[in-house]
Amino acid sequence: NAGVTQTPKFQVLKTGQSMTLQCAQDMNHEYMSWYRQDPGMGLRLIHYSVGAGITDQGEVPNGYNVSRSTTEDFPLRLLSAAPSQTSVYFCASSLAGGFTSSGNTIYFGEGSWLTVV
Amino acid sequence: KNEVEQSPQNLTAQEGEFITINCSYSVGISALHWLQQHPGGGIVSLFMLSSGKKKHGRLIATINIQEKHSSLHITASHPRDSAVYICAVRYGGSQGNLIFGKGTKLSVKP
Repeated sequence: NAGVTQTPKFQVLKTGQSMTLQCAQDMNHEYMSWYRQDPGMGLRLIHYSVGAGITDQGEVPNGYNVSRSTTEDFPLRLLSAAPSQTSVYFCASSLAGGFTSSGNTIYFGEGSWLTVV
Repeated sequence: KNEVEQSPQNLTAQEGEFITINCSYSVGISALHWLQQHPGGGIVSLFMLSSGKKKHGRLIATINIQEKHSSLHITASHPRDSAVYICAVRYGGSQGNLIFGKGTKLSVKP
């Protein structure tokens, strides 16, 4: 049971380049999400998914795209990287999102440090 | 806008001290999470609360729904407890989306 696997761990991009951050979970979780963490700020939601084929925007979606073709995978695409997207990105998953359950622990990936120059 | 406020922002303690970290939120929630972020960046879930109190080892988390306040306590603190502790709340009807506090950086000195 690997939990949430996030790759790459570190990446440097040039402005205008595109890339995909990969996220996979092996716990059959319905809910998956992407956050960015910036200095002095709490984690902010970029996009989320409540199941295969269903995605929605979070607080800071501009410049990012997601898809959820399978339950396991939830990649985050940067369409045209900008210096403002320099951040640490976290993928997370949980069994379900909208209700309180004693088993509804959130699992995070190890983080991806992205620098856009 | 729904807000999550944590205090203190930074906390330095001596090994063995009792630690309290506070979290306040602005509107009714369906759940509150306490998370620990290690110096290397990884985030792990410590507790999820919707009412009352939970205990795991030296960690205790409480929540007061009426006062919209939660506390995380660490008894007999140890240098390995040094980390950033993050409070996150799930508001009703949010499909599970979380609002995060900015975190409390704890440093425990030997």
